[in-house]
Amino acid sequence: DIQMTQSPSSLSASVGDRVTITCRASQGISKYLAWFQQKPGKAPKSLIYAASNLQSGVPSKFSGRGSGTDFTLTISSLQPEDFATYYCQQYDTYPPTFGQGTKVEIK
Amino acid sequence: QVQLVESGGGVIQPGRSLRLSCAASGFNFSRFGMHWIRQAPGKGLEWVAVISYDGTNEFQADSVKGRFTISRDNSKNTLFLQMNSLRAEDTAVYYCAKGGSSRFWESDYWGQGTLVTVSS
Repeated sequence: DIQMTQSPSSLSASVGDRVTITCRASQGISKYLAWFQQKPGKAPKSLIYAASNLQSGVPSKFSGRGSGTDFTLTISSLQPEDFATYYCQQYDTYPPTFGQGTKVEIK
Repeated sequence: QVQLVESGGGVIQPGRSLRLSCAASGFNFSRFGMHWIRQAPGKGLEWVAVISYDGTNEFQADSVKGRFTISRDNSKNTLFLQMNSLRAEDTAVYYCAKGGSSRFWESDYWGQGTLVTVSS
């Protein structure tokens, strides 16, 4: 199985900060990486697919980059509604696997 | 808009069976693969199973292989997960998710989930 490793596991940030989360795959996955946002008690919501494409309706403050094994999710200006846990997922090969999550908390 | 509504969760004893359902609307159900993904309490996300748009191909995670079966009824826009020989470690919120447009393993929109608790 492809192992997905996110860093950091958690971070504290202030409203207005620029935040970057990293996801590393244990082997190359081309561009087949998605990012999900999950708020407490809610289902995960797709933010980005194919490493850098925004899902419909997702604000442009979210952006994704990378290919191969190294990927990033950036939130350009953190807002109160962005405090959540973020997961990366590779969907290149069976079985699709998720990172362990990055919890973004208020400083 | 895409809507996925899971049902069928509850408290069940170890070794027993349970069937989850997922009612889909807002998209052409018969044209997309569908997934089940689960999340144990306080834990991360674990992919469980996928079925092709026409039901002819299905795959499961090793952790559920031989115990869980994914199926679908395209005439009723409904996805199913038959769970047999349930174990305590199957306790989780189970989400159904619509397949994406590029790779078979891709998912995009998810339902709100249904909680399965395996306990004696």
